[in-house]
Amino acid sequence: ILNVEQSPQSLHVQEGDSTNFTCSFPSSNFYALHWYRWETAKSPEALFVMTLNGDEKKKGRISATLNTKEGYSYLYIKGSQPEDSATYLCAPRQVAGAGSYQLTFGKGTKLSVIP
Amino acid sequence: DGGITQSPKYLFRKEGQNVTLSCEQNLNHDAMYWYRQDPGQGLRLIYYSQIVNDFQKGDIAEGYSVSREKKESFPLTVTSAQKNPTAFYLCASSTQTGYNEQFFGPGTRLTVL
Repeated sequence: ILNVEQSPQSLHVQEGDSTNFTCSFPSSNFYALHWYRWETAKSPEALFVMTLNGDEKKKGRISATLNTKEGYSYLYIKGSQPEDSATYLCAPRQVAGAGSYQLTFGKGTKLSVIP
Repeated sequence: DGGITQSPKYLFRKEGQNVTLSCEQNLNHDAMYWYRQDPGQGLRLIYYSQIVNDFQKGDIAEGYSVSREKKESFPLTVTSAQKNPTAFYLCASSTQTGYNEQFFGPGTRLTVL
């Protein structure tokens, strides 16, 4: 089982603040990294799939970067809004092999945006 | 609308009883997954299936069983052998090509009394 660490576990920010959080994972046998957003009472929703070292993805005010050599990814939210309140999950996937479709999820970072 | 449905949303069972959680998808996905979430834990994989009539154990398969008789359906049975069955259960599906972005259902909260 991969060791996937997300930090911080939770954070509260004021509306309009920018914030970021981290996902750390083993760099060996890296294949892809998935980011999901999970709002309360809803299903987890895919944000990004990242594959290349140095990759940067953007969706509106949310962006993510990837460092496969050192095994980490950052998720940034610019100008947080109350609707950004959710738990953000990262899930790395290793190189294809037995069980290659498995994602290993971190515990998530719970973001609360205070109006 | 395409998506994944799980039923029921809440389920209560007495200790020692088997219970089956339903998962149906109309996304035409080959792969399906069952996860369990406990407070303070990440999603943990119970079982997954890459194709009809085939499935593999995930990280925490003990006390669970599955079947995959149809592409659209992947029911999970929580047996009496599962020591701590009370949890939130999520079903997901994905294609088998590309990077296999997973699409999730709304979940079933199982409480064993």
